[in-house]
Formats: sequence, C-alpha cells, structure tokens
Amino acid sequence: SAVISQKPSRDICQRGTSLTIQCQVDSQVTMMFWYRQQPGQSLTLIATANQGSEATYESGFVIDKFPISRPNLTFSTLTVSNMSPEDSSIYLCSVEELALPFFGQGTRLTVV
Amino acid sequence: AQSVTQLGSHVSVSEGALVLLRCNYSSSVPPYLFWYVQYPNQGLQLLLKYTTGATLVKGINGFEAEFKKSETSFHLTKPSAHMSDAAEYFCAVSDPGGNEKLTFGTGTRLTIIP
Repeated sequence: SAVISQKPSRDICQRGTSLTIQCQVDSQVTMMFWYRQQPGQSLTLIATANQGSEATYESGFVIDKFPISRPNLTFSTLTVSNMSPEDSSIYLCSVEELALPFFGQGTRLTVV
Repeated sequence: AQSVTQLGSHVSVSEGALVLLRCNYSSSVPPYLFWYVQYPNQGLQLLLKYTTGATLVKGINGFEAEFKKSETSFHLTKPSAHMSDAAEYFCAVSDPGGNEKLTFGTGTRLTIIP
C-alpha cells in the first residue's frame, strides 16, 4: 500500500495566522485528496489536487482559505489561511493506489 | 448525489459477542463501498472494499461486510469482538464512474465491554 507522510502531525496556532500542511507519497499518483475532520465529526472532502492543474474545491471550500499546491506526482501542500478556532480539525491527505484509497495519519490542528 | 447513513453513532458489545455496524447508502448507481477504522489519535485504516462481484467481502482483523443492493446496505460484521476492536468506524462510498473521492458516513464509535 501507498505510504503517505504528513507534516506536521500536530500544531497549535494563533488565530489570524496560516499553516501549511505537507503530504508526501512514496509513489507517483495522479490525484491527491484533502479532507477535514472536525472534532467529533466525519470526514469532509475539501478539494482534489491534480498535478499540473488547479485544485478542484468542494462546495463550501474556497481557494483563498485553503490554497493547495501540487508541484509533482508525489507531493502536495494544503494551507489553512487566516485561521480561526473553527478551523481546529484534523486534516488528512488521501491517495488512491491499485483502486484503494489510503490516508495519511493526519495533521491535528488547534487554533487558539 | 451520494449519501451514506450509519445507524447508531455509538455501539457497545461485550467481548466475544457479534459486532454489527450498519451502513446504508443512497446512490443513483451502485457505488463502490468502503469501511475504514480510526483508532484514537490516528488516521484512517482501510478495512475492506466492495466494487463488483462477490457481495460478501472479507477484510482485515476478521471483519467482513455484505453488499445488499435490494436494501442499499453494506453492514460490517465480526463474529467475535475483541477489546482491540474499540475504535471509530466509518462507512464511505465513491462513484464508480467518476473520480475516487469519497463520501463518508458520520461514523460509529464501537465500545467493547469486558
């Protein structure tokens, strides 16, 4: 299975600041997905990131708040901008390999 | 649009008893179906997946799930619960005709009673 590494694993940030989360995969993948899991909630897809094109955002998520980069086939970043306490969540990166979706360990973000 | 309903946000079973976690989906076409487990402070681990073919799918850790098209269900079962099964379980669907993005249910927290 694909090995997905996310950095940082957790962080505590001040409101109004931004945090960039990195996702590294040990194999080349076409699409990478970013999900958010708010406290006590299920996972919600933020956006789909294809290499060489702009990310596709789901309803309720905008590029200004969650800019995404996808510079190559093994790496992506998600930035959470101008953070507020409502952004406190686990952010997870996901890829598909051999028709199976795999997830990173997630980044636990707390905004104070 | 697809949706997933997990009946029972919390399920408690005794150690050694049958585990049954319910999942129903709504989709215009038969979707791909998944079960994931999330242990405290960890990411998601894939338990099993159904795409086509045999409707009874066996996964890791002794879990299995059966796809029932007539009932639009994909319930997860394990014959004998173990203490290590205590975790959050998520059912998810994806569109077989589209990309691989997943729609998740709200999750079921499984507690094992010693």
